[in-house]
Amino acid sequence: EAGVTQSPTHLIKTRGQQATLRCSPISGHTSVYWYQQALGLGLQFLLWYDEGEERNRGNFPPRFSGRQFPNYSSELNVNALELEDSALYLCASSLFPGQVAHGYTFGSGTRLTVV
Amino acid sequence: ELKVEQNPLFLSMQEGKNYTIYCNYSTTSDRLYWYRQDPGKSLESLFVLLSNGAVKQEGRLMASLDTKARLSTLHITAAVHDLSATYFCAVDALSGSARQLTFGSGTQLTVLP
Repeated sequence: EAGVTQSPTHLIKTRGQQATLRCSPISGHTSVYWYQQALGLGLQFLLWYDEGEERNRGNFPPRFSGRQFPNYSSELNVNALELEDSALYLCASSLFPGQVAHGYTFGSGTRLTVV
Repeated sequence: ELKVEQNPLFLSMQEGKNYTIYCNYSTTSDRLYWYRQDPGKSLESLFVLLSNGAVKQEGRLMASLDTKARLSTLHITAAVHDLSATYFCAVDALSGSARQLTFGSGTQLTVLP
């Protein structure tokens, strides 16, 4: 069974540009979560999508946005990039949270560097 | 707002020794997860704890959950170098009207020969 896949692995952008990160969940999982892991700041919750809808949002500015497609894959967009957006962005998937007996599975991440 | 506190943040231990990592959280939850992260890598699921009193063991690691005390522990027995990594606990609980997985700060474990 394929795990959670993220692309690209690495992304270098210039301040002010936009970045798009992609995530494909495990087959059968309808929920996708995005986390930011900046150096020294731990894992911060960004967004949760399920069945194509945004279900919850962390404490991040509106320039962090995303969407979920009918095949449950997801995209995270970061507009007007700032240097402090440099981080490892992790995507996780699960069955709908009422059914998480097996927990959340994380992808390998996208390392975003803003210069 | 759910708070998850791990301690210690940094842990150096000798091979063969035992130690416990603690994870305290601030709200009612019966779902707690432990993950391992190697440098530059993603999160590897170690344990899923879904009820009060749950205890799970895998090799030299054992995790437990006390939902009444809002405490989980990760016990390391006879540590070996391969266990060197950062360990995170994460609590699955309601945040407002939606569930959210909130992570502790992580415990960076170094096992010394």
